[in-house]
Amino acid sequence: AQKVTQAQTEISVVEKEDVTLDCVYETRDTTYYLFWYKQPPSGELVFLIRRNSFDEQNEISGRYSWNFQKSTSSFNFTITASQVVDSAVYFCALSPDTGTASKLTFGTGTRLQVTL
Amino acid sequence: KAGVTQTPRYLIKTRGQQVTLSCSPISGHRSVSWYQQTPGQGLQFLFEYFSETQRNKGNFPGRFSGRQFSNSRSEMNVSTLELGDSALYLCASSNGLAGRIYNEQFFGPGTRLTVL
Repeated sequence: AQKVTQAQTEISVVEKEDVTLDCVYETRDTTYYLFWYKQPPSGELVFLIRRNSFDEQNEISGRYSWNFQKSTSSFNFTITASQVVDSAVYFCALSPDTGTASKLTFGTGTRLQVTL
Repeated sequence: KAGVTQTPRYLIKTRGQQVTLSCSPISGHRSVSWYQQTPGQGLQFLFEYFSETQRNKGNFPGRFSGRQFSNSRSEMNVSTLELGDSALYLCASSNGLAGRIYNEQFFGPGTRLTVL
């Protein structure tokens, strides 16, 4: 069975601070995909990144960066110099390589509040 | 390109009634998935459709049903509403064959259903 744990329920930071959202996963599959989604107050889930289990390279996209460590089953997400617009709920998700939407397991989400 | 649209955005019903929610995927996308999001259970998979066929169904009672039309638009229906059905219902569409997970899912803004 798959499991995604986002232990941080809520994080509050002041604008321009760096913040890291933790994601720990469990799976018996040898190949799998990991995802991060952002859910702003408007409700829709916005895709941020997809990472294949074979690719452990860290990725940076603007102020966003992701640290994938297979050895610790973690896929952490860091926002550098946070902004108020980053305020949202962030979900980490996991799927087997052969999976479709039905196999996507979401974490419980981390609510990020960025204040001035 | 227009995004995924869901109608209505908000809905209030009473126990015992039934409800139909609609989802229009991104043009050209043939795969549509539905999710239920509640504070207690988080994001849970409901259905997955591809080319008018239900490919997978989540662990929900038979009161939850859905369908997909030839233009890829999808509807979900919940009969005999219960208080616990109050949730944000999200629809997502994706491209590619059978909506495989490595094809990015694009989410709509959701329909917030309140059952009184």
